[in-house]
Amino acid sequence: QQPVQSPQAVILREGEDAVINCSSSKALYSVHWYRQKHGEAPVFLMILLKGGEQKGHEKISASFNEKKQQSSLYLTASQLSYSGTYFCGTRAYSGAGSYQLTFGKGTKLSVIP
Amino acid sequence: DVKVTQSSRYLVKRTGEKVFLECVQDMDHENMFWYRQDPGLGLRLIYFSYDVKMKEKGDIPEGYSVSREKKERFSLILESASTNQTSMYLCASTLSGGEVQPQHFGDGTRLSIL
Repeated sequence: QQPVQSPQAVILREGEDAVINCSSSKALYSVHWYRQKHGEAPVFLMILLKGGEQKGHEKISASFNEKKQQSSLYLTASQLSYSGTYFCGTRAYSGAGSYQLTFGKGTKLSVIP
Repeated sequence: DVKVTQSSRYLVKRTGEKVFLECVQDMDHENMFWYRQDPGLGLRLIYFSYDVKMKEKGDIPEGYSVSREKKERFSLILESASTNQTSMYLCASTLSGGEVQPQHFGDGTRLSIL
């Protein structure tokens, strides 16, 4: 079952902030975040692990609430380059060695001047 | 940097044809994945593979099969193409032992079935 992302789309002016949410009905081991620009491959942004460990890059942060099976991606002081579709990918508890992700439907973020 | 290469960016085939989509990665990754991407539906997993000659069904395997004869290459096969298989297909790879390993994606193949 796909995780649910919200909002589906958001338009920001440069410098504004945004939050993208990802919610699952399953107990999660980790959450991945990716960004895809139009016509390009999805690019990895960040992984959040059960237990609170966080990996990522750029000026984007995220949180992972294990009890609620939710993750949020925070984009602050948005730049034009942040435009794209953001996907969360969730890894639920499963057999050892299972690294498949289930992706949400995406959130389209548009940053305008 | 990891490079995941898909053989075609655009492909047009006819209904009933057998279609092969090829994916090659250059970083000795154990895990490889095939997704299809449709507007409003996100990325949906078709098949994945943990090792050579090993395959597992994803969420939407019907009408597809895969082949992994070499570690670096993962092929998606449409046995008898149908118009509802018109889509963007994305290949990805990742290291095993990899809770913290990201998936690396190819640029995608936009497949049209006429």
